[in-house]
Amino acid sequence: SQELEQSPQSLIVQEGKNLTINCTSSKTLYGLYWYKQKYGEGLIFLMMLQKGGEEKSHEKITAKLDEKKQQSSLHITASQPSHAGIYLCGADAPISNFGNEKLTFGTGTRLTIIP
Amino acid sequence: EAQVTQNPRYLITVTGKKLTVTCSQNMNHEYMSWYRQDPGLGLRQIYYSMNVEVTDKGDVPEGYKVSRKEKRNFPLILESPSPNQTSLYFCASRGGIPYEQYFGPGTRLTVT
Repeated sequence: SQELEQSPQSLIVQEGKNLTINCTSSKTLYGLYWYKQKYGEGLIFLMMLQKGGEEKSHEKITAKLDEKKQQSSLHITASQPSHAGIYLCGADAPISNFGNEKLTFGTGTRLTIIP
Repeated sequence: EAQVTQNPRYLITVTGKKLTVTCSQNMNHEYMSWYRQDPGLGLRQIYYSMNVEVTDKGDVPEGYKVSRKEKRNFPLILESPSPNQTSLYFCASRGGIPYEQYFGPGTRLTVT
């Protein structure tokens, strides 16, 4: 089965600084999702990447997909307290006749922003 | 408003007492799934459903049952809960392209 490894597992960053979170897959990536979770709450969809080299941005958050490296990175510019939370990457299982049934998640990166 | 709702949000129960966590979505999505989230293990899929009357096991189905009699509802059933099922549970639904998966707010279950 596909496994996703996120690094770092936790990150403490001073407000205003930039940061990067990585998500590496054990298998080919067919679709890569980024979610944000406030502690103990539901997951909020950030963005989805489907094509190698694709890059998307949402406010100050940018994500890229490197298909060859089977990796995605999430970059936050000028971090703010509102960015604090747990970031999870999710990936689709290989496409079957019925479509993408299975979504596997990484273990998450806990981001803390200090003033 | 497009949403996935779960009930209850918090539940404390005892070993062996059957319980059901309800999940409902208002987006007419065909695909629904259940996950549990545990520290250090991340989100793991319990069961998923591609459509009404079609369900399949995820990564950790032992001790759980599901049913999909209607498109909008996907309850999670614990016939005989045990302490190792203490966890944070999420229901999710997913539509077509771009396959964005919507998550419910979570149900925190404690089994003593």
